[in-house]
This record gives sequence, structure tokens and C-alpha cells, in this order.
Amino acid sequence: TQLLEQSPQFLSIQEGENLTVYCNSSSVFSSLQWYRQEPGEGPVLLVTVVTGGEVKKLKRLTFQFGDARKDSSLHITAAQTGDTGLYLCADSGGSNYKLTFGKGTLLTVNP
Amino acid sequence: GAGVSQSPRYKVAKRGQDVALRCDPISGHVSLFWYQQALGQGPEFLTYFQNEAQLDKSGLPSDRFFAERPEGSVSTLKIQRTQQEDSAVYLCASSPLAPWPQHFGDGTRLSIL
Repeated sequence: TQLLEQSPQFLSIQEGENLTVYCNSSSVFSSLQWYRQEPGEGPVLLVTVVTGGEVKKLKRLTFQFGDARKDSSLHITAAQTGDTGLYLCADSGGSNYKLTFGKGTLLTVNP
Repeated sequence: GAGVSQSPRYKVAKRGQDVALRCDPISGHVSLFWYQQALGQGPEFLTYFQNEAQLDKSGLPSDRFFAERPEGSVSTLKIQRTQQEDSAVYLCASSPLAPWPQHFGDGTRLSIL
């Protein structure tokens, strides 16, 4: 059974700071996805990465996929209060429908 | 509506009662998924439908959990003889056709007293 470990579990920063959160897998990723979940809402897909070494940018968010496809990071530049939420990584694990999620990093950006 | 709709948003039940949770997927989406999210955890897969066929129910915790999608659209997750450990947020997601992307609803928060 694939296990996804996310770190840190909690992160509280001031607006304008930069931050990085991590996702590590017990096995090689198939199709890694990053989601953000705000309180009382469902997860919203941010990005999907499939290729080792891949880097994707979404405005102030930069997603990196390790060469060995067992780790990934999400870097946020100049965090804003609207970035507050639970950041989840998930992988299909070779299935074409079943997602395995990590426990997430709960990010709080203070004004 | 444009998104996945779940009802009720909140449900409180006494231990031992039966509950039914409803999911209206995005119109035309063939694939439908149910996940369970305990407090402080990521979502965990429960079951998967393609149209009306339940292709995978390996994540259902016990035989007290039952899901159906009789006409290939709306789905219902039923929990019989609820227990305190069933307290969680139940998320529904749909996609045009597996695999991706999955669009999630806002969930039903179930509390068992």
C-alpha cells in the first residue's frame, strides 16, 4: 500500500513570506496531484505532474517533481492570506481512478 | 449548478441510526467517487462508479456501508447502524471519465452522537 508523507503538518507564516511544503512517497509516483482544500469545502485540483524532474508554475506557486518520482515539493512565493488552506498531495498509484492522499499541510497565512 | 452538489451539508445522528448521503455529480460526468475524510486526515477512497456500475468498493470500511447510483447520475451513500467512528466528512467527486480530473463537492459532515 502506497503511503504519502507530507511535511510539515502545520505551517503558520506572515503575509509576504515564502514557504515550501513537501510530499514523499513510499513508492514511485504514477500521477502526482496537488490540491488545496479550504475549510468547509472540497479539495480543488492545483496541478498534475507525471514526469520526473518536471517543474510547473501556477502564478506564485511552483511545483517540483523529483527525478526519482518519489518526492515532490510546492513552493509559494510572497504568500497571501488567500493561500490559507490544507495542501494535499495525491497519487493514482497505477490505478486510473483511485487516489491515495497524504494527510496534508495546514497552512495559515497571517495578515 | 456547475459543480458537484452534496446534501445534506451537515448531518447529526444518534449511534445506531441509519443515514443516507446524496451526491449530484456534474451533468454528463460518467465517473463518480466517494471518499471519507476524518478530522486532520486526507481523504480516503471508498468506492467508484462508472455510470451505474460500481466497479470498485474496496474502500468501504464494513458491510454497514452501501453505495448506489441506479440511473448513472445521482448517487447515495448509505450507512446502517451508525457508529461513532463513522463521524467524518464524506466527499463525493465526479469526472468526465476516469481518470482525471476529479471535481469534488463540499462534502457532508456527519456527526454520530
